[in-house]
Amino acid sequence: DAGVTQSPTHLIKTRGQHVTLRCSPISGHKSVSWYQQVLGQGPQFIFQYYEKEERGRGNFPDRFSARQFPNYSSELNVNALLLGDSALYLCASSLGGEPTRQYFGPGTRLTVT
Amino acid sequence: EDQVTQSPEALRLQEGESSSLNCSYTVSGLRGLFWYRQDPGKGPEFLFTLYSAGEEKEKERLKATLTKKESFLHITAPKPEDSATYLCAVQAVQGAQKLVFGQGTRLTINP
Repeated sequence: DAGVTQSPTHLIKTRGQHVTLRCSPISGHKSVSWYQQVLGQGPQFIFQYYEKEERGRGNFPDRFSARQFPNYSSELNVNALLLGDSALYLCASSLGGEPTRQYFGPGTRLTVT
Repeated sequence: EDQVTQSPEALRLQEGESSSLNCSYTVSGLRGLFWYRQDPGKGPEFLFTLYSAGEEKEKERLKATLTKKESFLHITAPKPEDSATYLCAVQAVQGAQKLVFGQGTRLTINP
């Protein structure tokens, strides 16, 4: 079975631009969570979606938004990029609405110049 | 605010030299404590979930234990392939939809 997939793998953007990151969960999983991991730090929670509804939001500005589609895949959008948004963006999927056992994707490495 | 602190930040061991990693946590009510392994450039890989004080879980050379304030990841006779960053995370009763991670311990096993 395929694991969690994310695209693109790497991305370079300029300050002020916007970016869309994509995630496909493991087949049968209905929950997707997004995390931001700055180099040398642990992942920080951004959003959780379950059954296409937002169930949780971390302490991130409104420039960050996300959605989940009927096939349970998800997009993370970031507007007006700042240098500080440079990080590894991780998507995790789980069967139910809680992260009892989350499976992480390989991440998207975003560099903002 | 829920917090997780891991120590040490980095640890170098010789192959076969056993040691322990520490995860201290502050949470309003613990729903679960998680250990993950992360290799460079990859996403975290699930290792264990612990739910209550006194619980222990083992997998190959790894053993995780839990008290009311901290968790330990014991590594017995490690091999070079155990080199990775080990992340600890908590799930609180309030805000159960998210994991709060520590900063990780970077473990290097020298042959």
